[in-house]
Amino acid sequence: GEDVEQSLFLSVREGDSSVINCTYTDSSSTYLYWYKQEPGAGLQLLTYIFSNMDMKQDQRLTVLLNKKDKHLSLRIADTQTGDSAIYFCAESTGTASKLTFGTGTRLQVTL
Amino acid sequence: DAEITQSPRHKITETGRQVTLACHQTWNHNNMFWYRQDLGHGLRLIHYSYGVQDTNKGEVSDGYSVSRSNTEDLPLTLESAASSQTSVYFCASSGLGAGVYEQYFGPGTRLTVT
Repeated sequence: GEDVEQSLFLSVREGDSSVINCTYTDSSSTYLYWYKQEPGAGLQLLTYIFSNMDMKQDQRLTVLLNKKDKHLSLRIADTQTGDSAIYFCAESTGTASKLTFGTGTRLQVTL
Repeated sequence: DAEITQSPRHKITETGRQVTLACHQTWNHNNMFWYRQDLGHGLRLIHYSYGVQDTNKGEVSDGYSVSRSNTEDLPLTLESAASSQTSVYFCASSGLGAGVYEQYFGPGTRLTVT
């Protein structure tokens, strides 16, 4: 079955890099996503990576995918206080757009 | 601008009452989803629809129902509210953009069952 796991909490200092990790179990995943949820709001799509890619970079965000280990990570460079939020990884297995979400990682950015 | 809205944003109800949460999207997306968010569980899928008259059960569908009579709306009904259904509920819609499905989320409804 599908299962997506994340650590619950990460604290970093402003200006440092943040790395949020995710593991998934479904080897037939086609796309993997990172979403951001700010307090009191819905989820916003940050970025995604196709399963045949190893890396994707988008400004301060770098996504790394290790398909062999079913491990996905999101690196945020030069982390700012505005990056404080909950980050969810999610996978889809190609049938339309149904996603399975991880438990979310709360990122706290300290001064 | 296209958007997805939910109403009400906050609701308090009593055990045993029927409750309906509204979701409306103007993206013209065929796919719509309902999730609940609880601490330690992330988002769990309740029901989803791939088009008018189509509805499917998700992983936590017991006690919930949906209907899809048009493209824009997917209301979620709790037939007989239970305290275990106290949660934050999110509606989402998705469409194909640049070869990948992107889900857009509403702002959420916080439901408390007393």
